[in-house]
Amino acid sequence: NAGVMQNPRHLVRRRGQEARLRCSPMKGHSHVYWYRQLPEEGLKFMVYLQKENIIDESGMPKERFSAEFPKEGPSILRIQQVVRGDSAAYFCASSPLTPTEMKNIQYFGAGTRLSVL
Amino acid sequence: EDQVTQSPEALRLQEGESSSLNCSYTVSGLRGLFWYRQDPGKGPEFLFTLYSAGEEKEKERLKATLTKKESFLHITAPKPEDSATYLCAVQARYNFNKFYFGSGTKLNVKP
Repeated sequence: NAGVMQNPRHLVRRRGQEARLRCSPMKGHSHVYWYRQLPEEGLKFMVYLQKENIIDESGMPKERFSAEFPKEGPSILRIQQVVRGDSAAYFCASSPLTPTEMKNIQYFGAGTRLSVL
Repeated sequence: EDQVTQSPEALRLQEGESSSLNCSYTVSGLRGLFWYRQDPGKGPEFLFTLYSAGEEKEKERLKATLTKKESFLHITAPKPEDSATYLCAVQARYNFNKFYFGSGTKLNVKP
C-alpha cells in the first residue's frame, strides 16, 4: 500500500506565476488535509477536503489560494500569482476516517518545497 | 486561542542519556493529542495518539504521557537513529477539522 504521494517534490516559480501542487492520498483514504510549513516553524493547517467537497478552508488565505479534491485524480493545491512569501514546504495528509471518529490519524506525504524567485 | 508550545526547541543528548520532551497545550476541550517524528526533507511520521489524562503509550524507546495541560515524550537510552524533530499536535473537541501543531523539538543524539 503506497503512502501519500506528493509531486513535485521541489518546485521553483518566479513571482507572478502559478504553482500547482498535487497530492494522491493513500488507497482507501477519502479525507485530505493541506498544511504549510515555514522554516523552523510548525505545520499550519490550510484546508480539509473530502471527495468533491471543501469541508474547512479556514486556514487558507482568501486570495490566490484554492484547493480541490475531484472525484477522480489527486487533490490539487493551487497558488496563483505567487509571491516570495509563498516559499515554504507544503504537506498533504490523508485519513480514512472523518475528524469526528476516534483513531483519526493523518498520514503525511513527503511534501512539496516551493521556492519563489 | 488554541495553542501548542513545545520545549525545548533543541536538545542534544549523548547516546544512552534519557530525557523528556514537553508539549504544553491550551485548547477548549481536547479531543486528541498526537506525536509525530519528522526527519529532514520528509513528512511527519505518526508515533502516538493520546485521548485522556493519565493515558500512556509506548513504542520501543519512546513513551508518551498526557495530563490535562501537557504531554511528555520520554526517550529512554536514545540512539543516534532517534535524531529527528518531534512534533506535537492537538485536535480540539469543538473544531475537530483542524490539527494544531507545535514548532517541534529538534533532537540530536551523539554516539
